[in-house]
Amino acid sequence: TQLLEQSPQFLSIQEGENLTVYCNSSSVFSSLQWYRQEPGEGPVLLVTVVTGGEVKKLKRLTFQFGDARKDSSLHITAAQPGDTGLYLCAGAQANNLFFGTGTRLTVIP
Amino acid sequence: KAGVTQTPRYLIKTRGQQVTLSCSPISGHRSVSWYQQTPGQGLQFLFEYFSETQRNKGNFPGRFSGRQFSNSRSEMNVSTLELGDSALYLCASSLANGRSGQETQYFGPGTRLLVL
Repeated sequence: TQLLEQSPQFLSIQEGENLTVYCNSSSVFSSLQWYRQEPGEGPVLLVTVVTGGEVKKLKRLTFQFGDARKDSSLHITAAQPGDTGLYLCAGAQANNLFFGTGTRLTVIP
Repeated sequence: KAGVTQTPRYLIKTRGQQVTLSCSPISGHRSVSWYQQTPGQGLQFLFEYFSETQRNKGNFPGRFSGRQFSNSRSEMNVSTLELGDSALYLCASSLANGRSGQETQYFGPGTRLLVL
């Protein structure tokens, strides 16, 4: 069983649309990270959120950590083809990092 | 600064063989973690090395082993390969404790292993 479930698993949208990806768990994490992985590459860290309720923005990407530090969301505004990739969340707990199941996003030009 | 490098990038083996994968971390990084990535299971943690010692281990059979050298370079070995070992093997380096969530882990491009 996965500690962190991401939804949706696959998402295909048109350029310019908005989208939200969810990362859910019944466990509490000390921090939560989001990564993006492009084909043929390893994951690249996008952001780390630490405080419950924290919101961080990275250009068109908005990350939110749930109040109870059990879940997180990633919202992308006006998606671009360059946003295509596998988005992974990872929760930290007692010096262990648990990765989510991943959301594969395709942005169609 | 050079990133994390992994060799080889692609590998084809047959069942029963063994394989050794190599990872060179970013200069100055002392922690190296290994992960297995498959479409069905996602990113699964194998083990972590720090200063030549295995600090943490995931839930994989003993056929999977690793080591770290004094220059922080790391190798992982898989013996008696099975079809299910086909996967992308990723290593990640960090200064001291990338799996704490308080440091950045930098991933290499991975080694894609196909077992026939």
